[in-house]
Amino acid sequence: QSALTQPPSASGSPGQSVTISCTGTSSDVGSYNYVSWYQQHPGKAPKLMISEVSKRPSGVPDRFSGSKSGNTASLTVSGLQAEDEADYYCSSYAGSNNYVFGTGTKVTVL
Amino acid sequence: QVQLQESGPGLVKPSDTLSLTCAVSGYSISSSNWWGWIRQPPGKGLEWIGYIYSSGSTYYNPSLKSRVTISLDTSKNQFSLKLSSVTAMDTAVYYCAKTPCVVCGFDSWGQGSLVTVSS
Repeated sequence: QSALTQPPSASGSPGQSVTISCTGTSSDVGSYNYVSWYQQHPGKAPKLMISEVSKRPSGVPDRFSGSKSGNTASLTVSGLQAEDEADYYCSSYAGSNNYVFGTGTKVTVL
Repeated sequence: QVQLQESGPGLVKPSDTLSLTCAVSGYSISSSNWWGWIRQPPGKGLEWIGYIYSSGSTYYNPSLKSRVTISLDTSKNQFSLKLSSVTAMDTAVYYCAKTPCVVCGFDSWGQGSLVTVSS
């Protein structure tokens, strides 16, 4: 199984929105509504931000939203804040009890 | 609130076996959850290694399957990772994590443990 493809970087000014894509195949993202998104600040463990494509765990601001179309999932961060500057990783169930992560996107708040 | 803490040697020699333990507090590993390992080479992305269910069932990343063993120790409320025949490519921060189901996403993570493979 290959890593899901994400753009290396994305950026936006405070208050703006940024959208990160996560492209897989018909064997993972395209077949299952089990895409998750993680936020990782430098030197810290990842934090679950979105599960099952669009569900926000308790405590995650509603500025974070997820969606999926075909083999591509997306994470949108609205109303960008300085603390949103971090690395973001998508992941997907890939069938047969396998799990695959994305390549990661560094979000910069300008 | 569940807390996870990795522990183990920070330096392993090439061809040896890497061994890490994840101590779980605030939650019983015998509950209906999956307990997993994920690694991150320095400056690179995340890689799923595998997970174990509270019953002992295991699933591993196909690319690592021949070298990985994940096990539970319910008496100590912890689970462990063993990765054999390591090379420099296995140098990474190793995280343990919890997920309520295989498809749910990992909702709790340990702080991570850096393991360097070098002679």
